Amino acid sequence: QKEVEQDPGPLSVPEGAIVSLNCTYSNSAFQYFMWYRQYSRKGPELLMYTYSSGNKEDGRFTAQVDKSSKYISLFIRDSQPSDSATYLCAMMEGAQKLVFGQGTRLTINP
Amino acid sequence: GAVVSQHPSWVICKSGTSVKIECRSLDFQATTMFWYRQFPKQSLMLMATSNEGSKATYEQGVEKDKFLINHASLTLSTLTVTSAHPEDSSFYICSASIPLGGYNEQFFGPGTRLTVL
Repeated sequence: QKEVEQDPGPLSVPEGAIVSLNCTYSNSAFQYFMWYRQYSRKGPELLMYTYSSGNKEDGRFTAQVDKSSKYISLFIRDSQPSDSATYLCAMMEGAQKLVFGQGTRLTINP
Repeated sequence: GAVVSQHPSWVICKSGTSVKIECRSLDFQATTMFWYRQFPKQSLMLMATSNEGSKATYEQGVEKDKFLINHASLTLSTLTVTSAHPEDSSFYICSASIPLGGYNEQFFGPGTRLTVL
């Protein structure tokens, strides 16, 4: 079983839709939870990070962490074509090592 | 701020040759850098953690004699793929970390696409 599971998609939605991306994990020691966006043939860029359980909002993006269920989510409101990318969840145990999910390929159709 | 560059951005080489990839933190000093490999439609897999002035720590299953890592300064780490073979063809991404509050944020380079013929 992988430490972090993420549905690779692809996911295609119309412009303006609410997008929900999710990951599950097995390591209860993870404390930091991140979402990265990666455009084709580019390095990942950090969108949001959350420490422990709870919600965090940044503009159109909301990250949720439920440690009791070992489940994290990223919501994108009013999705735009420019949001089309691969979204990677990642988790950190407390040191520096990041463990990534497989990534979900998202396409927002105009 | 917090820009990480990689050079080259892509490289094609013949089987059996060695290839060096550079990772630089342009506007900050990083005591720790990381090297990842990403195969098509797959996630980033950590290969090794590189600390300035000391030997790199390799993940299980990564051959340290094949993937040589040098972190000679606080702004430069290099990955050398020795005797490259077609199965080494991949997207190699480095990151450099900065301590921010309770955790160390990693800033990623743009990646280097290696194709071994």
